[in-house]
Amino acid sequence: DVVMTQSPLSLPVTLGQPASISCRSSQSLAYSDGNTYLNWFQQRPGQSPRRLIYKVSNRDSGVPDRFSGSGSGTDFTLKISRVEAEDVGVYYCMQGTQWPLTFGPGTKVEIK
Amino acid sequence: QITLKESGPTLVKPTQTLTLTCSFSGFSLSTSPVGVGWIRQPPGKALEWLAVIYWNDDKQYSTSLKSRVTITKDTSKNQVVLTMTNMGPVDTATYYCAHRLRGSGTVAYWGQGTLVTVSS
Repeated sequence: DVVMTQSPLSLPVTLGQPASISCRSSQSLAYSDGNTYLNWFQQRPGQSPRRLIYKVSNRDSGVPDRFSGSGSGTDFTLKISRVEAEDVGVYYCMQGTQWPLTFGPGTKVEIK
Repeated sequence: QITLKESGPTLVKPTQTLTLTCSFSGFSLSTSPVGVGWIRQPPGKALEWLAVIYWNDDKQYSTSLKSRVTITKDTSKNQVVLTMTNMGPVDTATYYCAHRLRGSGTVAYWGQGTLVTVSS
């Protein structure tokens, strides 16, 4: 199975300041079709996960543009340009290149 | 509009078999390349895929749980059923069903989840 790791696991942020989460995979997520299937999900307290980003950098409809994804191969990053109160929650990366699809351990974003 | 909803027992005893049903709308599980899968999340912990079934009845299972998990579909009822045998306390989790497209590398639609507690 592809192992996903994230850092940091806890991220206290000041409102209005940027935040960055790193995700690494145990093997390259580049697929033979030319795509790299790395996703980011946000899980607010008491809610189901919500997809923010797919294929590394494609933002879902309705996701604020302060969220951006980047990376390639085995190293990926989710950035929030200016953290708002509604961004509090746990963020997971998930690889979709190989079954079983696997998630990272999650990064808890909280306001300082 | 795609929606999914999980149903089943909230409490099961150790060694029992868990049966969960995912009822969905807004898509057909007889259309390529649609699939429905199950993901679980123990309290305060990360997410774990359990199984997925596709329009053509192809199935994929978690490496570690394949001996205990079975996934089936009833296309006419728009339902997918997950069974997990020999439940134990470590299986206490919120169980989600989700819609995915085979080959898409992602999952966009999730149910609200159902918490299952394993306790005597």
